[in-house]
Amino acid sequence: DNVLTQSPDSLAVSLGERATINCKSSQSVLYSSDKKNYLAWYQKKPGQPPKLLIYWASTRGSGVPDRFSGSGSGTDFTLTISSLQAEDVAVYYCQQYYSTPQTFGQGTRLEIK
Amino acid sequence: QVQLQESGPGLVKPSETLSLTCTVSGGSISSYYWSWIRQPPGKGLEWIGYIYYTGSTNYNPSLESRVTISLDTSKNQFSLKLNSVTAADTAVYYCARGGYGDVKDYWGQGTLVTVTS
Repeated sequence: DNVLTQSPDSLAVSLGERATINCKSSQSVLYSSDKKNYLAWYQKKPGQPPKLLIYWASTRGSGVPDRFSGSGSGTDFTLTISSLQAEDVAVYYCQQYYSTPQTFGQGTRLEIK
Repeated sequence: QVQLQESGPGLVKPSETLSLTCTVSGGSISSYYWSWIRQPPGKGLEWIGYIYYTGSTNYNPSLESRVTISLDTSKNQFSLKLNSVTAADTAVYYCARGGYGDVKDYWGQGTLVTVTS
């Protein structure tokens, strides 16, 4: 299986400050044929389903604020929230959809400092 | 606006079969990937598998011997069957729609299934 390891496990950031979450994949998720990284980021709040934030590693989902951005390629990826808002408190997951089984990172809990 | 809604029993006895249905509204099921994902209490997300609109399926090998995902285009629904359940299958089960490459853009609200005698 392709293991995704997120760091850190939890993160406390002040309102208006930058938050950065990393995701390292044990195998490359870059598909040579289409040059796309099959890596997504989701935001999960209690009692709600995961919300798609980023796909193809760096494309924002529909309606996602532009303070959320994704970067990286191959095996190393980053989710950045440029200016933390109170509503961003959540658990964030990376997910690869390149190979079977599709796998998720263990999650990063983001809180307000 | 596409909406997905899971339905099915909230309690299942050990060794029996867990059966859930996802009803899709606001769009046709005759396209896209249709997936099931679960989250045990206090744990992370686990992909169970998907069915493509053509009927082809892809399952998590860790569950493959017990899982069946099927499609009912006449009802705009797809279903999950997981047999021989144990307490380890207790989880919130989500259905989701996958676009190109199976990017999961729409999710159901989730339904808690508890395996208990």
